[in-house]
Amino acid sequence: SQQGEEDPQALSIQEGENATMNCSYKTSINNLQWYRQNSGRGLVHLILIRSNEREKHSGRLRVTLDTSKKSSSLLITASRAADTASYFCAIHGSSNTGKLIFGQGTTLQVKP
Amino acid sequence: NAGVTQTPKFQVLKTGQSMTLQCAQDMNHNSMYWYRQDPGMGLRLIYYSASEGTTDKGEVPNGYNVSRLNKREFSLRLESAAPSQTSVYFCASTEPGIYSYGYTFGSGTRLTVV
Repeated sequence: SQQGEEDPQALSIQEGENATMNCSYKTSINNLQWYRQNSGRGLVHLILIRSNEREKHSGRLRVTLDTSKKSSSLLITASRAADTASYFCAIHGSSNTGKLIFGQGTTLQVKP
Repeated sequence: NAGVTQTPKFQVLKTGQSMTLQCAQDMNHNSMYWYRQDPGMGLRLIYYSASEGTTDKGEVPNGYNVSRLNKREFSLRLESAAPSQTSVYFCASTEPGIYSYGYTFGSGTRLTVV
């Protein structure tokens, strides 16, 4: 399976701290994406990193990709209470269908 | 606002009833997808349509059918609902390819089958 496996399953930190979530996968990929889901809502696309990229930034988000280890990490710096949500990695394999396979997610709680 | 619209937002069905979940996008995307999300789990792909006129099975297609009505609309049908289909259903769309920038999701349909 190409499914991303995320670690940790749950993370609780204080406001202002950094949060790191990891994703591992098993096959070759076209790109890897990260999404956020607030409770009871749909998923929101955060960032996409292509297989030939190693690092990408977007605001307080930093994503790294190591294709030799088949792993990615999402770092949220200077976290805020509003960052409380579930975060999912999603694997885009080698097909051209755009199909994504999602991991089970990391639930992040940021305490004020 | 541009995006993906799903209807209905909530639905309760009795076992054996049928229903169709509607999804429409106004971003001129070629590809559309139906996922289900069960408590504490990630999203599992039910069916997808890589382009208008094509549909394919995902990980969990049993008990579902789909129709890509036109480029904008992609519906999901439950012919005979079962309690195991109680879930939150999400529709998404994207423009696939090397310039893909990720999915846009609808807000979901929360379905309970009793």
